[in-house]
Amino acid sequence: DAKTTQPPSMDCAEGRAANLPCNHSTISGNEYVYWYRQIHSQGPQYIIHGLKNNETNEMASLIITEDRKSSTLILPHATLRDTAVYYCIVRSSGGGADGLTFGKGTHLIIQP
Amino acid sequence: DTAVSQTPKYLVTQMGNDKSIKCEQNLGHDTMYWYKQDSKKFLKIMFSYNNKELIINETVPNRFSPKSPDKAHLNLHINSLELGDSAVYFCASSPRTGITDTQYFGPGTRLTVL
Repeated sequence: DAKTTQPPSMDCAEGRAANLPCNHSTISGNEYVYWYRQIHSQGPQYIIHGLKNNETNEMASLIITEDRKSSTLILPHATLRDTAVYYCIVRSSGGGADGLTFGKGTHLIIQP
Repeated sequence: DTAVSQTPKYLVTQMGNDKSIKCEQNLGHDTMYWYKQDSKKFLKIMFSYNNKELIINETVPNRFSPKSPDKAHLNLHINSLELGDSAVYFCASSPRTGITDTQYFGPGTRLTVL
């Protein structure tokens, strides 16, 4: 799986959009971009994933650049409960039951 | 209803003891996993099980052994516990292998070895 680079921490004001960047310049054609988050003292939680097109669900939006070398996770209206470590993971499709490879992630702190 | 559950939530034990952590998923998923999160918060895969067959086994000491009595359960047995085994252990499950899918994590078991 390709390596990802994320800023170690970010702040965002409550009610504003939180934009979390991720670089994955060595991503290959069959690799998806996944986002998970881990709220303090809880298990990781799936947020969203995508291959080429932008994706949106009830939690967030995922914007993937045309060259697929970077992506941005957008939390449209951040709340205090969104404070967590956010992990960007690049993962190939198919194959065996690989475990997820977690990096250091971005610690997002939502300020009141 | 809890999708992926683990017991116990906290486990404190002495070095040298043998202990088990239980995991159950009620999602009907085919694959289950164990992850370890150490004191520096790095989260690493330990094992995965698919239809009672061990799929991967990362460089984990053989003191750790996953056991799956059925598709809904993957328990983690640890023999001769060491101080370095202190960590939070997470169980997870995913629908199928062979396609991209998401993993659903349990709440974690905090193991402290004294």
